[in-house]
Amino acid sequence: EAGVTQFPSHSVIEKGQTVTLRCDPISGHDNLYWYRRVMGKEIKFLLHFVKESKQDESGMPNNRFLAERTGGTYSTLKVQPAELEDSGVYFCASSLSPGGIGELFFGEGSRLTVL
Amino acid sequence: GQQVMQIPQYQHVQEGEDFTTYCNSSTTLSNIQWYKQRPGGHPVFLIQLVKSGEVKKQKRLTFQFGEAKKNSSLHITATQTTDVGTYFCAGRMNYGGATNKLIFGTGTLLAVQP
Repeated sequence: EAGVTQFPSHSVIEKGQTVTLRCDPISGHDNLYWYRRVMGKEIKFLLHFVKESKQDESGMPNNRFLAERTGGTYSTLKVQPAELEDSGVYFCASSLSPGGIGELFFGEGSRLTVL
Repeated sequence: GQQVMQIPQYQHVQEGEDFTTYCNSSTTLSNIQWYKQRPGGHPVFLIQLVKSGEVKKQKRLTFQFGEAKKNSSLHITATQTTDVGTYFCAGRMNYGGATNKLIFGTGTLLAVQP
């Protein structure tokens, strides 16, 4: 069974440009999370989907970030326009358990570098 | 906001020495999980603790959940070079049942010298 896959693995863009990150969760996992790790610091929560609905988006930094999960399958995270402080590794994770309780399965991450 | 702190931030040990990382939450947790992230890798689930005072063991790793469910620890006995990586605790906080957000700690980077 395939794990959580993320694309691209690495993206280098200039300040002001747009980037879209994609996450394909494990098939059948209703819960999908986006996290970000900046400069070796903690892994910060961004948002949580249950199927196609945003359960909690309290961690989204500002309105330059837009996450979608149309159809409750894959998810995209768009940053527009990107700023220098958006650089970091964006992790997607999915889980099977109802209510989001239980083990999170992480993807390999998408490393974003904003110049 | 809710915070989960870990100490130490970094630990360098000789192979064979023991290692402990401590995790403290500003609020009571419904459960706590531990993850390991190898250099350049992604977080991988190790264990989940749910009950107050719970202790679980996985070979050389011992996990504890505090009585007040606000702190936890991970102890590794006789470290090996394969233990290298960053260890994160992650606490789940309830908000009246509306959400089950998992808040990650600041992480402890373990370096093991052969």
